[in-house]
Amino acid sequence: QVTLKESGPVLVKPTETLTLTCTVSGFSLSNARMGVSWIRQPPGKALEWLAHIFSNDEKSYSTSLKSRLTISKDTSKSQVVLTMTNMDPVDTATYYCARTGSGYLSYFDYWGQGTLVTVSS
Amino acid sequence: DIQMTQSPSSVSASVGDRVTITCRASQGISSWLAWYQQKPGKAPKLLIYAASSLQSGVPSRFSGSGSGTDFTLTISSLQPEDFATYYCQQANSPPTFGGGTKVEIK
Repeated sequence: QVTLKESGPVLVKPTETLTLTCTVSGFSLSNARMGVSWIRQPPGKALEWLAHIFSNDEKSYSTSLKSRLTISKDTSKSQVVLTMTNMDPVDTATYYCARTGSGYLSYFDYWGQGTLVTVSS
Repeated sequence: DIQMTQSPSSVSASVGDRVTITCRASQGISSWLAWYQQKPGKAPKLLIYAASSLQSGVPSRFSGSGSGTDFTLTISSLQPEDFATYYCQQANSPPTFGGGTKVEIK
């Protein structure tokens, strides 16, 4: 059974750095077909893709947020970590991690439940 | 980045209705398109990938069509559990999502 679960702070202050962890089970991050993305959704708004990490550790980032994002993984712990620097209230959103199972950055077939992060002083 | 435009932004329909949602890409994406269903407080669920392939376990009343820049999601006979928001996503890199279409009870 494939599962993904996000964890991290529920509240961060403006200018702080956010660190989120996605713990996966039911598949291996070293499997050549597997990759994990982070996607966010501000309250009442649409989905926005942030970053992706492939099995070979190659990374891809949102054009507009690239300077603030870092994605990494620890295959032995089955975890993918996203850091986002210089947080602002507009970054308030539910943050999801999601799997791609094709070897490409394509379709997201499994999603975590999401974690709501509020940015406020 | 490729922009995805969905229409309508919302639609009111009754159980049993046929519902069609469209998605337009700002440039050609071949068949690299997916559709997701999202219910309040839940993560999106993959319905359709590669424009017209039904994800395992998804009811056959859902279908997708299109290629290039214009795509369609059709629900042939709307069921009570289908009231939700639907998003398209293009799968060229970087991936981008449409603005969503909320299917509401009429």
